Amino acid sequence: DVKVTQSSRYLVKRTGEKVFLECVQDMDHENMFWYRQDPGLGLRLIYFSYDVKMKEKGDIPEGYSVSREKKERFSLILESASTNQTSMYLCASSLGGGGSEQFFGPGTRLTVL
Amino acid sequence: RKEVEQDPGPFNVPEGATVAFNCTYSNSASQSFFWYRQDCRKEPKLLMSVYSSGNEDGRFTAQLNRASQYISLLIRDSKLSDSATYLCVVKDYNQGGKLIFGQGTELSVKP
Repeated sequence: DVKVTQSSRYLVKRTGEKVFLECVQDMDHENMFWYRQDPGLGLRLIYFSYDVKMKEKGDIPEGYSVSREKKERFSLILESASTNQTSMYLCASSLGGGGSEQFFGPGTRLTVL
Repeated sequence: RKEVEQDPGPFNVPEGATVAFNCTYSNSASQSFFWYRQDCRKEPKLLMSVYSSGNEDGRFTAQLNRASQYISLLIRDSKLSDSATYLCVVKDYNQGGKLIFGQGTELSVKP
C-alpha cells in the first residue's frame, strides 16, 4: 500500500524559529513535492525534487528551503518562521519519467505565533 | 488570472441529484488533466484522469474541451459519501510536468 508520512500533524512555532517539516515515502518514487494549501488559494507548489540531492523552485519558494539527502525523504525548512507561513503543508510523491498520480501525505498544519 | 479556475461553491445538493463541476485553464499548452478529491481535513487523492474523448468511472463522468480550455466533472445519483472538495488539476510538461491545482469546488450532499 502506498504511503507518504509527515512528521507532525500539528505544529505551533514562534516567529523567528527554524522549522523542519519531514516527509518520507515508501514507494521508491523519484519525484517529491512540497505544497502549501490556504483557503481561497488552493495548493501552491513550494519546491520539488526529481532525484536525490536535486531540488527545483516551485511557485512560492521565498522563505523556504529543502533537502533531499535520501530518495525516500524530502525535508522542508523554514529558516526563520513568520506569521504568513501559517498554513497547511502537504508533501507528495510520484513515479519518475512522465510522472503521473501524486500521492499525498496527511499534511502538517503549522501555526506561527 | 489564475492558471486553473473553479467555482468554489459550496454546492449543496440532495441525495440522488446530478451535479456538474466546471473548470477552465489558461495555458493552451497544458497536456494532462485530472480530478482529485479532498475530504475534510484529509489529503487530496486522485479521483480520475480526464481524456480527450471523455471518460466514465461508475457515476462519475469527466469531459475535456481543448478548444475552449474547459474541463468538467459530472456526478450522477449523488451519495452522502460524495461530500468533499473536488480539485481540478492540470499538468503542463512545458513547466517540468508539475501539477497546477484549482482552488477546489466544495460539494455537500444532504439526506
